[in-house]
Amino acid sequence: AQSVSQHNHHVILSEAASLELGCNYSYGGTVNLFWYVQYPGQHLQLLLKYFSGDPLVKGIKGFEAEFIKSKFSFNLRKPSVQWSDTAEYFCAVNDLSDKLIFGTGTRLQVFP
Amino acid sequence: NAGVTQTPKFQVLKTGQSMTLQCAQDMNHNSMYWYRQDPGMGLRLIYYSASEGTTDKGEVPNGYNVSRLNKREFSLRLESAAPSQTSVYFCASSEGRGRVTEAFFGQGTRLTVV
Repeated sequence: AQSVSQHNHHVILSEAASLELGCNYSYGGTVNLFWYVQYPGQHLQLLLKYFSGDPLVKGIKGFEAEFIKSKFSFNLRKPSVQWSDTAEYFCAVNDLSDKLIFGTGTRLQVFP
Repeated sequence: NAGVTQTPKFQVLKTGQSMTLQCAQDMNHNSMYWYRQDPGMGLRLIYYSASEGTTDKGEVPNGYNVSRLNKREFSLRLESAAPSQTSVYFCASSEGRGRVTEAFFGQGTRLTVV
């Protein structure tokens, strides 16, 4: 069965700092990978997704993620965070079935 | 353009009571999902439905039942609520057909069982 690990549970940064959130999955076959964001009090919204092709994918709001198949990883990055990036971030994996499995999430706090 | 609509938004139940959470989507999606969100545990899949008439267990199905009433609607029922079911519940849908291209989420239902 597929599973997703997010090792950073809580990250605290100052504005303009760089961000990298880790995501590892366990599934040996082809996968679709996602990062979702949940702003306080809101539902989840898609940040970016990877299906195939260029392993470096760009999403909304300056976020990007890199798929490294050999490491089963899909880490999220942003060169310079803003206060408005304060939110919870979830990595998710689909193994080309109809199931979508999420990680435990990373809470990001950005201070001015 | 409503997307995924969940009702109710908030609910308080007493232990042992039953209730049904309703979810409807207007995007003609094939797949629908119910998740629960608990602090430190992320979103855990309760049940999903790949198409009208089919449902499958997810990671944490115990204590829940679902019905895929038609292509639009997917309901989640708690037959005898327990305090451990206090959570925020999210419904989601995706185009489906054997892969998840993007899942769209409802606004959530905050359920408290006392």
